[in-house]
Amino acid sequence: DAGVTQSPTHLIKTRGQQVTLRCSPISGHKSVSWYQQVLGQGPQFIFQYYEKEERGRGNFPDRFSARQFPNYSSELNVNALLLGDSALYLCASSLGLGLQPQHFGDGTRLSIL
Amino acid sequence: GQQLNQSPQSMFIQEGEDVSMNCTSSSIFNTWLWYKQDPGEGPVLLIALYKAGELTSNGRLTAQFGITRKDSFLNISASIPSDVGIYFCAGQAWGGGADGLTFGKGTHLIIQP
Repeated sequence: DAGVTQSPTHLIKTRGQQVTLRCSPISGHKSVSWYQQVLGQGPQFIFQYYEKEERGRGNFPDRFSARQFPNYSSELNVNALLLGDSALYLCASSLGLGLQPQHFGDGTRLSIL
Repeated sequence: GQQLNQSPQSMFIQEGEDVSMNCTSSSIFNTWLWYKQDPGEGPVLLIALYKAGELTSNGRLTAQFGITRKDSFLNISASIPSDVGIYFCAGQAWGGGADGLTFGKGTHLIIQP
């Protein structure tokens, strides 16, 4: 069975640009969460979506937005990129809300020049 | 953002040795999870714990959910070369809202030949 898939695997952008990252959850999983992992740190929670609605948001600026589609896939958008946005962006899926274990994809490595 | 206190930061051990790492928080969690992350990959779920005092094993790995719900530990017995990697603890609170995971900074496990 396919796990969580993310695209692209790597991306290079310049300051001020906008970026869209994509995630397909494990088949049957209805919840998708996004995390940012900077080098040497653990992942930081950005968003959780369930049934196409935002159900949770971490401490990130409004430049970060996301959406979930009817097939439960998701996109993360980041506007007005800053150098500090350089990180590994991880997507995780779970069956639903509540205390369901989250399973991660291999992430998108975003580099800002 | 908030991160859990995970220790030790790194461990240098010989193959065959047992390993112990722990995680503490100032907040109560309803779930504790342990993940392993290899270079260039996303975190892989090792063990999920759902009840205070719960002790769960997965092969050579054993983890416990602390009685106070503010800590957890992970033990690895008879370490082998493929155990090398970064181990993260993560806590999850469920209050009907955000289900984002809060991660520790990770424990780097290095096995010396």
